[in-house]
Parts: sequence; structure tokens; C-alpha cells
Amino acid sequence: SQQGEEDPQALSIQEGENATMNCSYKTSINNLQWYRQNSGRGLVHLILIRSNEREKHSGRLRVTLDTSKKSSSLLITASRAADTASYFCATSGAGSYQLTFGKGTKLSVIP
Amino acid sequence: NAGVTQTPKFRVLKTGQSMTLLCAQDMNHEYMYWYRQDPGMGLRLIHYSVGEGTTAKGEVPDGYNVSRLKKQNFLLGLESAAPSQTSVYFCASSLSPRGATEAFFGQGTRLTVV
Repeated sequence: SQQGEEDPQALSIQEGENATMNCSYKTSINNLQWYRQNSGRGLVHLILIRSNEREKHSGRLRVTLDTSKKSSSLLITASRAADTASYFCATSGAGSYQLTFGKGTKLSVIP
Repeated sequence: NAGVTQTPKFRVLKTGQSMTLLCAQDMNHEYMYWYRQDPGMGLRLIHYSVGEGTTAKGEVPDGYNVSRLKKQNFLLGLESAAPSQTSVYFCASSLSPRGATEAFFGQGTRLTVV
């Protein structure tokens, strides 16, 4: 079964607002990654956070990780229409070589 | 530097036909993955490889076979295609295991089985 589950499934916001997506996972992990997928395209890596890190920033992206709750969040600040895409979290369980993805959050940013 | 290249990009098969999807990476990555993406299901891991000559089953391996004869190539085969295998297939590769480094994805192969 899939390791990570994103929430919400879909999110619609106005340009300039912040967007927050959450990811919950089931077992202990080594690392957690977030990816973006534009419609009909391959996935593009956004950010990686290791299990011993609590927060990480990259440009307008902020990722948090709470291993005690087995959850992560992705915050996109000052959203733009070009941020419209699906966002996925990916995890690799401790001792596993598999990289598993959740079902994704579909973000729509309205100009 | 092309990254990860998938061939073909589109294909229509009749039920029972066979085909091979090719994934090629030029980044000297050890780890390679095949996923399928269906509406509302996200990406599900079919098979993966931890190095040349190795393969392992993922979450949904039934009906598929894979081979990694060369480090840069990871082939996904459908021996007898079924309509349930209609999907978009993505190949990915990474330098390190266990999500320690980012995975690079191909642009996908859209397969329709009629």
C-alpha cells in the first residue's frame, strides 16, 4: 500500500495567497521528499527533508517534518498561477529501497 | 545531458499483445524505478532496480516483467497486455537509495490497451 497520503486532495486559492499541503505516512522513514507535476508531465523534485530535520526552506517553499506524528507539510507562500500543479510527497521506509508516493494534492491558483 | 528518457511516448495495444517500454538515463545512477499513474491513485511502484543486473518487485508487479542488463537502461515488459494496464508509465532514477537524493523522472509513456 502507498506509504504517504496527501491532504487535501484538491485546493483552490487566489494568486498571492499561501497554500499548505499535508502528507501523512505510516512507518518510520529515512527521508521525505516533495515533488511537483504539471498536467501531463513528469514529476520534478522540489525539496528533500531528512528524518533528523524539522524544517527546511527553498525559495517560496517551506517544508516541515514531525516524525512523532508521521507527518509533513509543504507551504507555498505568495502563490502564483504558475504554481498550479499536483504535489506529491515521497517516502522511503527505514530499511527499504522503495520510493513510494502518495496520491497527491491538486493545487489550482486562480489569477 | 538528457536525464531520463522514455520510449515510446504513446502507444495503443490490443488485448493480448506484448510490448517493451524503454527507460534510459545518462546520469550514472544506480537506482531505477518504474511507476504507473492512474487517476485518483497517485504513483504506484511496479518494479525497481538497485543496480545493473538486479530487479525487485514493488507494490503492483503482476503482469509486468523488467530487466536491467545495462546500468543505464531499465526495461519494462508487458507479455500479454490487458485493459487494466491502460495507464501512464513513468520511469525514474536516483543516485542514492532510500530517498536520500532526488529522483529524476522521464516524461512518461501513455499506454492504452483496447
